[in-house]
Amino acid sequence: GEDVEQSLFLSVREGDSSVINCTYTDSSSTYLYWYKQEPGAGLQLLTYIFSNMDMKQDQRLTVLLNKKDKHLSLRIADTQTGDSAIYFCAESTDNNNDMRFGAGTRLTVKP
Amino acid sequence: EPEVTQTPSHQVTQMGQEVILRCVPISNHLYFYWYRQILGQKVEFLVSFYNNEISEKSEIFDDQFSVERPDGSNFTLKIRSTKLEDSAMYFCASSASVGEQFFGPGTRLTVL
Repeated sequence: GEDVEQSLFLSVREGDSSVINCTYTDSSSTYLYWYKQEPGAGLQLLTYIFSNMDMKQDQRLTVLLNKKDKHLSLRIADTQTGDSAIYFCAESTDNNNDMRFGAGTRLTVKP
Repeated sequence: EPEVTQTPSHQVTQMGQEVILRCVPISNHLYFYWYRQILGQKVEFLVSFYNNEISEKSEIFDDQFSVERPDGSNFTLKIRSTKLEDSAMYFCASSASVGEQFFGPGTRLTVL
């Protein structure tokens, strides 16, 4: 079946940039999302990108999409300790309502 | 800012019992969803609901599961006879259109 893959862990120093990578297999993916999950909390939508875009910037967040390679990344500039969380990549298509998630990348920000 | 709410935050039940998980989607949204996340595993899609009927469901969503929108605001997930493996965090989500989904805080279901 279709799948979304992410690396499980990322550790950075406060003030550095973080780059979280994601690959997906469904070539009909139309929407690609990044969600943040803090301990004990729900999923917070951070940003999303349509498949006809290759970049989207929103304050400290930059999303890059390489549709040919089916590769999505989330860059967090000037990473803060409050950014420590699990980041989920997800995708969905126009025709389906369901969303497929990666396993999540645990970002640890060290002071 | 409008948000999706879910109750209860934690539900403990005995195996074989029925549970109902409740969600209040964002008020002008038309699409509603349930997902679950077993501890340490991926978030998995269960079901989507639009225009008072199920529009999509996964293999997980078998005859033990049902959803309902009993009034204009609530969206519920019922598990008829809970099993140990139903223990998970259940997330409700809603969207105004196909695409951007907003998630609730989740209900942690523990089946003993």
